[in-house]
Amino acid sequence: GEDVEQSLFLSVREGDSSVINCTYTDSSSTYLYWYKQEPGAGLQLLTYIFSNMDMKQDQRLTVLLNKKDKHLSLRIADTQTGDSAIYFCVSGAAGNKLTFGGGTRVLVKP
Amino acid sequence: EPEVTQTPSHQVTQMGQEVILRCVPISNHLYFYWYRQILGQKVEFLVSFYNNEISEKSEIFDDQFSVERPDGSNFTLKIRSTKLEDSAMYFCASSRDAYEQYFGPGTRLTVT
Repeated sequence: GEDVEQSLFLSVREGDSSVINCTYTDSSSTYLYWYKQEPGAGLQLLTYIFSNMDMKQDQRLTVLLNKKDKHLSLRIADTQTGDSAIYFCVSGAAGNKLTFGGGTRVLVKP
Repeated sequence: EPEVTQTPSHQVTQMGQEVILRCVPISNHLYFYWYRQILGQKVEFLVSFYNNEISEKSEIFDDQFSVERPDGSNFTLKIRSTKLEDSAMYFCASSRDAYEQYFGPGTRLTVT
């Protein structure tokens, strides 16, 4: 079945860039998403990219997609303490189920 | 900004009891979903619902589960006879256009 894998933990200093990486297996994924979960909160849709794109930039967020290698990354520029959260890499197709990675816990140190 | 809401935030029930988890999707959304996350595991898909019928369901979504949109605003997940292994965080999601899914805050279900 479909699978999404990502590293468990990332520690970064405030002001530095964070890069979270993910790999997925489903070739039919048409959308790749990043969701953010803060402590005690729900899953917040951060950004997404269509599978026919290589890159998407949205303010401090940059998503890179290497479709050949099925590799997705999320770069957060100028990381702030408020960016401390769990980030989920997610694959899906329109109207269909989403397949979640296990989440990367990002800790931003002052 | 419109949000998906879920009630209750925490439900404790005894094994074998029926529970109903409630969700109010964003008002102009047409696609509805339930996911769950067992502690320490990945978020996993349960069911999707569109045009008043189930459009896709996972292997987890067996006969003890059912979904309903009883009144045009609520979307419910019923578990008929709860088991210990049903303890999880249950997330409702909705989508207007089928590719942006917006999630509620979740209901933590504890089966004792």
